[in-house]
Amino acid sequence: DGGITQSPKYLFRKEGQNVTLSCEQNLNHDAMYWYRQDPGQGLRLIYYSQIVNDFQKGDIAEGYSVSREKKESFPLTVTSAQKNPTAFYLCASSIDFGIPNYGYTFGSGTRLTVV
Amino acid sequence: SQQGEEDPQALSIQEGENATMNCSYKTSINNLQWYRQNSGRGLVHLILIRSNEREKHSGRLRVTLDTSKKSSSLLITASRAADTASYFCATDGERGGADGLTFGKGTHLIIQP
Repeated sequence: DGGITQSPKYLFRKEGQNVTLSCEQNLNHDAMYWYRQDPGQGLRLIYYSQIVNDFQKGDIAEGYSVSREKKESFPLTVTSAQKNPTAFYLCASSIDFGIPNYGYTFGSGTRLTVV
Repeated sequence: SQQGEEDPQALSIQEGENATMNCSYKTSINNLQWYRQNSGRGLVHLILIRSNEREKHSGRLRVTLDTSKKSSSLLITASRAADTASYFCATDGERGGADGLTFGKGTHLIIQP
């Protein structure tokens, strides 16, 4: 079955550590996105990528980094520069950035906690 | 960035009743989408309505869009316990969502058995 896989489901980070969240899709989608969700809040866009080897900052990119070396993969690194990283992170993909006819497919999320 | 805002923030109804949630947004859109999120899970796409459409149906879901008022509503008819979830509206920009959808804070719907 096609879909998006995020791993791990739960992640604990110590102060000052960098951690990487994995996002893999087998939907052959061009565009991929990372969102952050805080309790009781909506989603805020961190980074997005419309094509391999290209990505753009979203609304809250500070303290995060991404790469898009393969179409299927869009990992997110939460760096030590992100002062409040505890949140639920969601990865999504869409079939084509030029077609406004389809919704996003989301992964099941990674819950990151700073300890 | 433009943002959708859902209303109410929380809604509790009896099973079998209809549930209506509203969304307002600030700037012009190409389309508006509704998503559902069960607790601790990812979002699931429910329905997309284009700016030139006024109403759309999908099963027990009915979505309306009023671009003059910059608002949309999601109606769930004959609610079931499994409909308990948070519901989000999302709006796109000039590139049809290519530079990321903007989500509201959601309506938390509880269906009482």
